[in-house]
Amino acid sequence: DIQMTQSPSTLSAAVGDRVTITCRASQSISTWLAWYQQKPGNAPKLLIYEASSLESGVPSRFSGSGSGTEFTLTISSLQPDDFATYYCQHYNSYSQPFGPGTKVETK
Amino acid sequence: EVHLLESGGGLVKPGGSLRLSCAASGFTFTRNSMNWVRQAPGKGLEWVSSIDSTSNYIYYADSLKGRFTISRDNAHNSLYLHMNSLRAEDTAVYYCARDGPAVAMDYWGPGTLVTVSS
Repeated sequence: DIQMTQSPSTLSAAVGDRVTITCRASQSISTWLAWYQQKPGNAPKLLIYEASSLESGVPSRFSGSGSGTEFTLTISSLQPDDFATYYCQHYNSYSQPFGPGTKVETK
Repeated sequence: EVHLLESGGGLVKPGGSLRLSCAASGFTFTRNSMNWVRQAPGKGLEWVSSIDSTSNYIYYADSLKGRFTISRDNAHNSLYLHMNSLRAEDTAVYYCARDGPAVAMDYWGPGTLVTVSS
């Protein structure tokens, strides 16, 4: 089965910072990669699908890129509402694993 | 407005069984694949199972080893997860989630907590 990894596991940043999170797949997944944001006590929220497509209603400061085995989620200018945990996920397959998550915390 | 609401969680003893339900509304249920995802306390997200709109294609995480069964009732806009031989490590919040037009999980319920403990 395909395994997903993320780095870093924790990221300390300040409001206004540019933030980049990396997700890697153990084998090529084309662009079948989604990014989710989760805040404590809440369900995850879809941000990006097909590696780089922005979900409706998601601010344009979020962007995704990559294909094959390496992907990135970028927040161009971190806002107070963006402190959360971010997960990547391979989908559209018989197995749909999530990455272990990246917590974005206040510096 | 799309709405998903899980129910059926609670405290169960090791070795016991439980059936979770997810009531869907606000969209044409028969058009979407559905999923169960769980999250153990303080841990990350774990995909559990998926079912397509007609129940012809069903997938499970290998770690479940046949203990869980996903099903759906399109006539009642409902998704189910039957869980058997429950273990302490199955303790988690269980979410149901819809596959949207782009196939990624675009709507999620608030989750239901399952606690497996003696």
